[in-house]
Amino acid sequence: GAVVSQHPSWVICKSGTSVKIECRSLDFQATTMFWYRQFPKQSLMLMATSNEGSKATYEQGVEKDKFLINHASLTLSTLTVTSAHPEDSSFYICSAKTSSYNSPLHFGNGTRLTVT
Amino acid sequence: AQKVTQAQTEISVVEKEDVTLDCVYETRDTTYYLFWYKQPPSGELVFLIRRNSFDEQNEISGRYSWNFQKSTSSFNFTITASQVVDSAVYFCALRCLEYGNKLVFGAGTILRVKS
Repeated sequence: GAVVSQHPSWVICKSGTSVKIECRSLDFQATTMFWYRQFPKQSLMLMATSNEGSKATYEQGVEKDKFLINHASLTLSTLTVTSAHPEDSSFYICSAKTSSYNSPLHFGNGTRLTVT
Repeated sequence: AQKVTQAQTEISVVEKEDVTLDCVYETRDTTYYLFWYKQPPSGELVFLIRRNSFDEQNEISGRYSWNFQKSTSSFNFTITASQVVDSAVYFCALRCLEYGNKLVFGAGTILRVKS
């Protein structure tokens, strides 16, 4: 089946630094990728949608300058948390789909970010 | 009103009990997709089922079964003879054009199965 690889699975960084999270579709072309954020004991909240070669579309309340999303190829999207602060500590999950409307979403295993 | 409502925040059962997780959704679209995902403590999302709005047949997969009722906008999930390994957070989700074809998750239900 379709596989989405997300890296790293966990990261600890110091406040003020930037962290990049990668999301790769290993065996299919991901024309659309989604980035979710999940706080402890809460649901997944969509942060942004990225289509290959286009600028990402951010959900209301998500700072695009803080959460930089790049989707330069059909197999790779990256989320960079810039100038991270402790309140950015969270679980980030990406998902990917092909161009077909009926395409299922395939999720990565998530990245647990801790900002100290 | 919430788009996807999982009213049960947490459920605790003893092993071998049956348990039903409720999901109620809201959309004006006639074409939509419903999903259930399992999130074990390790964090990854495990896909369980996808059902489109035109297929109201109930589905059974091993100890799992799903009851889709368009009349009540519900898509409930039953685990028969629960096991400790079933302990996880379960999310119901909806995808439809009304919500931009994005996957909208319910709040999740924490299921604890005790031995």
